[in-house]
Amino acid sequence: DAGVIQSPRHEVTEMGQEVTLRCKPISGHNSLFWYRQTMMRGLELLIYFNNNVPIDDSGMPEDRFSAKMPNASFSTLKIQPSEPRDSAVYFCASSLRRQGASYEQYFGPGTRLTVT
Amino acid sequence: DAKTTQPPSMDCAEGRAANLPCNHSTISGNEYVYWYRQIHSQGPQYIIHGLKNNETNEMASLIITEDRKSSTLILPHATLRDTAVYYCIVRVAFSNDYKLSFGAGTTVTVRA
Repeated sequence: DAGVIQSPRHEVTEMGQEVTLRCKPISGHNSLFWYRQTMMRGLELLIYFNNNVPIDDSGMPEDRFSAKMPNASFSTLKIQPSEPRDSAVYFCASSLRRQGASYEQYFGPGTRLTVT
Repeated sequence: DAKTTQPPSMDCAEGRAANLPCNHSTISGNEYVYWYRQIHSQGPQYIIHGLKNNETNEMASLIITEDRKSSTLILPHATLRDTAVYYCIVRVAFSNDYKLSFGAGTTVTVRA
């Protein structure tokens, strides 16, 4: 199993540019999560999907951020326009949701985003 | 949501057992205790979880007190590769879905 795959691993961009982060969840998983990690705020949940449908996006910081999951094997997190305060490590995680059961999340290696 | 309290840091000698405490005094009856860890520059890694019984897997053991207000993660034979931030998390019940809220965790340093 390849695990959760994220790309790119590193992204450096200038303020105002559009940034797209990509995630491929583990095959067979039906829930997908996007997190952001900074020194100041730690690990924050941005959004999560179940069966490709966004369930809770209350963690998305503002309208500049958007996330999509067009199918079970692919998700994107887009920032447009990007700002220096968006610099962080962005993690994608996936899991298998089963009714009434507790289950673990598997995280990808992360994308380190630097906005100058 | 039940909150957790962990010591900010601890050291452990290589080859010895590492016992990581966590307090969750407001946990409710249907909430699980999860443990994750994050090795530097990597994504968090699931370790173990439990409801009220003690649990063991290839990575660690989880001991939950009878009143469920605290738990201990045990790494039986710590290695240098176990140096990481360890997070104790209580499942947030939200309909049939859930979120994991990561706190500050315990920074564990395993020393040779």
